[in-house]
Amino acid sequence: GENVEQHPSTLSVQEGDSAVIKCTYSDSASNYFPWYKQELGKRPQLIIDIRSNVGEKKDQRIAVTLNKTAKHFSLHITETQPEDSAVYFCAKRNQFYFGTGTSLTVIP
Amino acid sequence: GAVVSQHPSRVICKSGTSVKIECRSLDFQATTMFWYRQFPKQSLMLMATSNEGSKATYEQGVEKDKFLINHASLTLSTLTVTSAHPEDSSFYICSAAPTGGGEKLFFGSGTQLSVL
Repeated sequence: GENVEQHPSTLSVQEGDSAVIKCTYSDSASNYFPWYKQELGKRPQLIIDIRSNVGEKKDQRIAVTLNKTAKHFSLHITETQPEDSAVYFCAKRNQFYFGTGTSLTVIP
Repeated sequence: GAVVSQHPSRVICKSGTSVKIECRSLDFQATTMFWYRQFPKQSLMLMATSNEGSKATYEQGVEKDKFLINHASLTLSTLTVTSAHPEDSSFYICSAAPTGGGEKLFFGSGTQLSVL
């Protein structure tokens, strides 16, 4: 399948620090970019999404930025907490291909 | 919110047998459902797109005859792993997009398949 390039694959941060995960896509048709959080053995949960007509969206400690020119979008988590530890996936419409995933560990 | 139910959550079967996994949208209709496969610590790999009333669209490298998909109603899609082998052991997860409900995707809870 066609996956989205996602970096980094693993990320460890101290509690309270920020975490940034970036995804890059290649086609211009994508217009919806969601981010999912998946805890071990559980289903992915949508945490934030952005449409191509805006450049940034924020929801409390989570934000997503989109650079259509460069074809990348990023997830920003501020003031990280241990419960933020999980695997995060980006995805792109139209067929919902997922990024390769980022395993985030927040160290207390 | 929208709920997607997936059963069974875990199944162990003998090599050569077939296993059926069900994916139901409980409180919405889904013209399109997606089936993914996930290995430990890896991403969700799209296997096929299931369209109600028509044949599923399979991703490159996914065997149609091995992974049979049926989407007979707007609330139910099934994945049958035929003649299962140990290499088919994996976490299978479905998702559904509400008909006319935008781009949001809702996931089932997944099925851990172990083939002995």
